[in-house]
Amino acid sequence: AQKVTQVQTEISVVEKEDVTLDCVYETRDTTYYLFWYKQPPSGELVFLIRRNSFDEQNEISGRYSWNFQKSTSSFNFTITASQVVDSAVYFCALCRDSNAGGTSYGKLTFGQGTILTVHP
Amino acid sequence: KAGVTQTPRYLIKTRGQQVTLSCSPISGHRSVSWYQQTPGQGLQFLFEYFSETQRNKGNFPGRFSGRQFSNSRSEMNVSTLELGDSALYLCASSSSHGIAEPRSYEQYFGPGTRLTVT
Repeated sequence: AQKVTQVQTEISVVEKEDVTLDCVYETRDTTYYLFWYKQPPSGELVFLIRRNSFDEQNEISGRYSWNFQKSTSSFNFTITASQVVDSAVYFCALCRDSNAGGTSYGKLTFGQGTILTVHP
Repeated sequence: KAGVTQTPRYLIKTRGQQVTLSCSPISGHRSVSWYQQTPGQGLQFLFEYFSETQRNKGNFPGRFSGRQFSNSRSEMNVSTLELGDSALYLCASSSSHGIAEPRSYEQYFGPGTRLTVT
């Protein structure tokens, strides 16, 4: 069975602070995919990033960066110089490789989410 | 490209009734997945459809069902509604999940349908 745990339930920061959201996962698969999604108050989940289990390079996109460490089963997300518009619920998710068989299609296993509030 | 659309956005139903929710995926996307989001259980996978076939199903009772049409649009139905079915129902589309096709694992979500059961 797969499991995703988001370490922080809620984080509150002041604008311009850096903030890291921690995600730890469990899976028996050797190949899998990890994701981060943002859910603003409007409710729609916005895709941020996908990471393959065989690619451990960290990634940076503007103020966002992701640190994937297979050895510790972690996929952490850092926002640099946070802004009020970053306030949202952030979800980490895991998906099996479809080569794993018929039970893997289309299923994202989500963490419980981290509520990020950025104060002006 | 237009995003994933879901209708209706809000619904209020009474216990025992049934409801049908609709999802139109991004043009060209053939895979549609459904999720239920509640404060207590978080985001849970309901089922996934590809080429009009259900390929995966989550741990939900048989009251939850779905289907996909030839144009990839999908509907989900909940019969005999219970208070606990109150939730945000999210639909997601993905470009492909075929065995012989390039795999795309990103799922793009619609705005959801908020269902309230009274």
